[in-house]
Amino acid sequence: TQLLEQSPQFLSIQEGENLTVYCNSSSVFSSLQWYRQEPGEGPVLLVTVVTGGEVKKLKRLTFQFGDARKDSSLHITAAQPGDTGLYLCAGRIGGAQKLVFGQGTRLTINP
Amino acid sequence: DTGVSQDPRHKITKRGQNVTFRCDPISEHNRLYWYRQTLGQGPEFLTYFQNEAQLEKSRLLSDRFSAERPKGSFSTLEIQRTEQGDSAMYLCASSRGDNLSYEQYFGPGTRLTVT
Repeated sequence: TQLLEQSPQFLSIQEGENLTVYCNSSSVFSSLQWYRQEPGEGPVLLVTVVTGGEVKKLKRLTFQFGDARKDSSLHITAAQPGDTGLYLCAGRIGGAQKLVFGQGTRLTINP
Repeated sequence: DTGVSQDPRHKITKRGQNVTFRCDPISEHNRLYWYRQTLGQGPEFLTYFQNEAQLEKSRLLSDRFSAERPKGSFSTLEIQRTEQGDSAMYLCASSRGDNLSYEQYFGPGTRLTVT
């Protein structure tokens, strides 16, 4: 059983389109991170959200943490080929130090 | 800041051999984590250290696996008698030990292939 469910698992869209990736759980997270991973490399931290309802923006990327801290979303506006990659959400439950990861969303932006 | 570094980046070994990986965390980070990632999946937690103390180990970490962080700086992960199922990307991450400790920064990983 996956603690964090990401959807969709695969997404292929045209350059310029908008998209949203979802990360859902039945568990409450004390913090949640989004990472992007390129093939053969480690995940790179994009953002951390901590407070329920929090919204953070990183250029064309908007991250939202659900009010109950059980879900999160990543919205990309006007996607570009450079956005292609594996997007991973990961969270901490309670006071635990380890991160629990979703299975990832593989995003392909076609020029 | 120098990021997390891992060595080697790639390792090919025959089944039954022992392998050892090294991780150097970001210098001021006192927490260090090991994760394993198989193809098409997100990383799974293996173990973590605060300074030299190993504070948590996953059930994924069988008795063939051992991790150390002898001086609270770099860490090693050893796999004895490797099996084909051990083939994966082994990722190391580090974090600070204060209110920002939830931000984990990952190294580039070591890709292990067991033939």
